[in-house]
Amino acid sequence: DAGVIQSPRHEVTEMGQEVTLRCKPISGHNSLFWYRQTMMRGLELLIYFNNNVPIDDSGMPEDRFSAKMPNASFSTLKIQPSEPRDSAVYFCASSLLLAGTYEQYFGPGTRLTVT
Amino acid sequence: DQQVKQNSPSLSVQEGRISILNCDYTNSMFDYFLWYKKYPAEGPTFLISISSIKDKNEDGRFTVFLNKSAKHLSLHIVPSQPGDSAVYFCAASRGGGTSYGKLTFGQGTILTVHP
Repeated sequence: DAGVIQSPRHEVTEMGQEVTLRCKPISGHNSLFWYRQTMMRGLELLIYFNNNVPIDDSGMPEDRFSAKMPNASFSTLKIQPSEPRDSAVYFCASSLLLAGTYEQYFGPGTRLTVT
Repeated sequence: DQQVKQNSPSLSVQEGRISILNCDYTNSMFDYFLWYKKYPAEGPTFLISISSIKDKNEDGRFTVFLNKSAKHLSLHIVPSQPGDSAVYFCAASRGGGTSYGKLTFGQGTILTVHP
């Protein structure tokens, strides 16, 4: 059974360019989460969706970041324009949220480098 | 305001001995706790969880203990194996409202198990 799939695994881009990260959650899961991991801030939640609807985007750093989930099997995180301080590993996770259980399953991550 | 704290950045243990990883939290509304393991260049992998209605949960070599009065949880690995060498994150969740399903992560502890 395939886990969470993320693409690309690595992305190197120049400052000012648009970057799009992609995620396919585990089939049947009803929630999807985007995280960013940096040395300074650790693993921080950017946004999460429940049944394709954004529930909490309070972690999105600024308007340059946007996320969509057009259907239950696909989500994107877009940065436009990108800046060097956006360099980090971005993880997507999915979950079947049920009463009393909150396990999330992570993809392998996308390592973004903005020069 | 760091609501979940792992105060030990690293831990070194001999193979076959017990590894004890610690985690403290400040938000008394947290009611579900999880441990994740992360290898380099991979996403975090769910390990074990515990609900606030319990004080212990066991799964093979892994046991999580929860002390609600002290707002402290720990992960015990017995016996430790070299393959357990990884970064371990604790995470916490609240059950209700817009926080439903969100996980707050600690900064992680690097465990090294020496042969």
